[in-house]
Amino acid sequence: GDSVTQMEGPVTLSEEAFLTINCTYTATGYPSLFWYVQYPGEGLQLLLKATKADDKGSNKGFEATYRKETTSFHLEKGSVQVSDSAVYFCALSDTQGGSEKLVFGKGTKLTVNP
Amino acid sequence: GAGVSQSPSNKVTEKGKDVELRCDPISGHTALYWYRQSLGQGLEFLIYFQGNSAPDKSGLPSDRFSAERTGGSVSTLTIQRTQQEDSAVYLCASSSSGGVNQPQHFGDGTRLSIL
Repeated sequence: GDSVTQMEGPVTLSEEAFLTINCTYTATGYPSLFWYVQYPGEGLQLLLKATKADDKGSNKGFEATYRKETTSFHLEKGSVQVSDSAVYFCALSDTQGGSEKLVFGKGTKLTVNP
Repeated sequence: GAGVSQSPSNKVTEKGKDVELRCDPISGHTALYWYRQSLGQGLEFLIYFQGNSAPDKSGLPSDRFSAERTGGSVSTLTIQRTQQEDSAVYLCASSSSGGVNQPQHFGDGTRLSIL
């Protein structure tokens, strides 16, 4: 079945550092790709998405580009802030069986120190 | 509020007991999902409801797990004869139509602990 592999971390950075969280996927067909974020004490929130190859999703300074040739959707941010500390999940939409269920990576915990 | 609401937020029960977890989706959302978040397995899909269609139950881990959605709105996830490995955070999500371009909105989850 479809699967998502992301670097598990934890990742610890200083404020204003550059962030990359790697995500690769295995899928039949052409899934949509997502990054979700879970801030401490809060629920999962959609951060950004891309629905087809070469699309770039962006939000709150974060970006990720859907790379079909490398089956990747790496998350990047040029300058992280303390408020970005959270757990980040890469996910794809699996349309097998008729549902649009999400298949998640195991999550990457990011801690940003001042 | 306007978001997905789950209850209870925490549930502690003894092994072998049955539990019911409730999800109130965003009003008007036709698609509803249950996921489980556990330390060992990460986030796993459990079941999907879309309108009046038959649910996709392919993620339910055993026949002790069942879910229903009444009137196309509120959903209840039931776990019978709970086991310690059922301890996890159970998340509910809804979306307006279930299509890939409709984001899933998650509730805060129910943290289930089996003693």
